[in-house]
Amino acid sequence: SAVISQKPSRDICQRGTSLTIQCQVDSQVTMMFWYRQQPGQSLTLIATANQGSEATYESGFVIDKFPISRPNLTFSTLTVSNMSPEDSSIYLCSVDMGQGWETQYFGPGTRLLVL
Amino acid sequence: GDSVTQMEGPVTLSEEAFLTINCTYTATGYPSLFWYVQYPGEGLQLLLKATKADDKGSNKGFEATYRKETTSFHLEKGSVQVSDSAVYFCALGTNAGKSTFGDGTTLTVKP
Repeated sequence: SAVISQKPSRDICQRGTSLTIQCQVDSQVTMMFWYRQQPGQSLTLIATANQGSEATYESGFVIDKFPISRPNLTFSTLTVSNMSPEDSSIYLCSVDMGQGWETQYFGPGTRLLVL
Repeated sequence: GDSVTQMEGPVTLSEEAFLTINCTYTATGYPSLFWYVQYPGEGLQLLLKATKADDKGSNKGFEATYRKETTSFHLEKGSVQVSDSAVYFCALGTNAGKSTFGDGTTLTVKP
């Protein structure tokens, strides 16, 4: 199994500022993913982050708004840049252990409120 | 594109009641189907899965059968407990990690 931690667990930010969310995994993983869960809505994949290469963004998400780092096989960061109230969401980190669907794990999420 | 439609919530049941949460999907190809659960204040956990038509996933008394003919994957439990109170998400996946989620259904079980 994989244990995933995220920091911060929650934050309240002012519009126009940026927040970096950290995701730490207790074992080495190839694929890490960042999801967003807007209030009352489902989870949406933002991007896939593989170590040693640039993140791959899904339609509607761009690197300038959501820059991602993946410096090693146990860590990733997602930055929410130039925030607006529409960015208020839960951001979740997810990892795939590469052994099949039953080994996908999610972090506890970061609850972000932008005022 | 792929999509998942879940029964709207919230759902409130008495303890020992029968639970059904409906889930239907549209997808190209042959997706795997999942139910995830999110307990209050905790992360998302995989509850059960099915990888091909007619497969039945089961865990903790919950069951769901992959019905290709009706493109459905309804979640059922015969007798719910207070501890089952959580948000339940139906999801499909066709590539490792790239899951498409339903909106989630909040279940509250009262003693």
